[in-house]
Amino acid sequence: DQQVKQNSPSLSVQEGRISILNCDYTNSMFDYFLWYKKYPAEGPTFLISISSIKDKNEDGRFTVFLNKSAKHLSLHIVPSQPGDSAVYFCAASATQGAQKLVFGQGTRLTINP
Amino acid sequence: KAGVTQTPRYLIKTRGQQVTLSCSPISGHRSVSWYQQTPGQGLQFLFEYFSETQRNKGNFPGRFSGRQFSNSRSEMNVSTLELGDSALYLCASSLEGRGGIGYTFGSGTRLTVV
Repeated sequence: DQQVKQNSPSLSVQEGRISILNCDYTNSMFDYFLWYKKYPAEGPTFLISISSIKDKNEDGRFTVFLNKSAKHLSLHIVPSQPGDSAVYFCAASATQGAQKLVFGQGTRLTINP
Repeated sequence: KAGVTQTPRYLIKTRGQQVTLSCSPISGHRSVSWYQQTPGQGLQFLFEYFSETQRNKGNFPGRFSGRQFSNSRSEMNVSTLELGDSALYLCASSLEGRGGIGYTFGSGTRLTVV
């Protein structure tokens, strides 16, 4: 039972354009959502998070949008840079009581020069 | 400050053997969580330790076990290795281990079972 899904295994975007990565979840108990970036042979690096009391959070070139009614979140990267090429994971948690993250399968983002 | 240290980085084992992986958290962090990453599966939660107590466990067989020491360092053990156990094993440390807040991941241990 995949509670967090990233339906696009890969995404290719031109440098300078917007990258949009999507994530869907099924568990309505999730109240905290995170995006991680991962390079090969390294651990995931935290990018940005959002609490369920918000619908948008912005940090520089990265913005996360949360649509609770649709159980959908997205990560926007503007403008996309070659160094953004990596695998991106969305993750969710129910912060009251749970001590774990539930991850999606990941989306490989490639930024083309 | 020093990050999360996982040792060894790479490991090759034979089916049926057992293996122990180590994770040293960031100084002051009392929670250590373990995840398994396999292609196409994302990261799957194994277990979480806080102050030497296992607080949460994922849906893995009993061959997977762990422990945490008084200095917060953690080990995970996999017995009777199977080919399907080949994966990247990641640990994450945090102050409280609450819902992924403040997680810092190590670089992982790549386990190959042959």
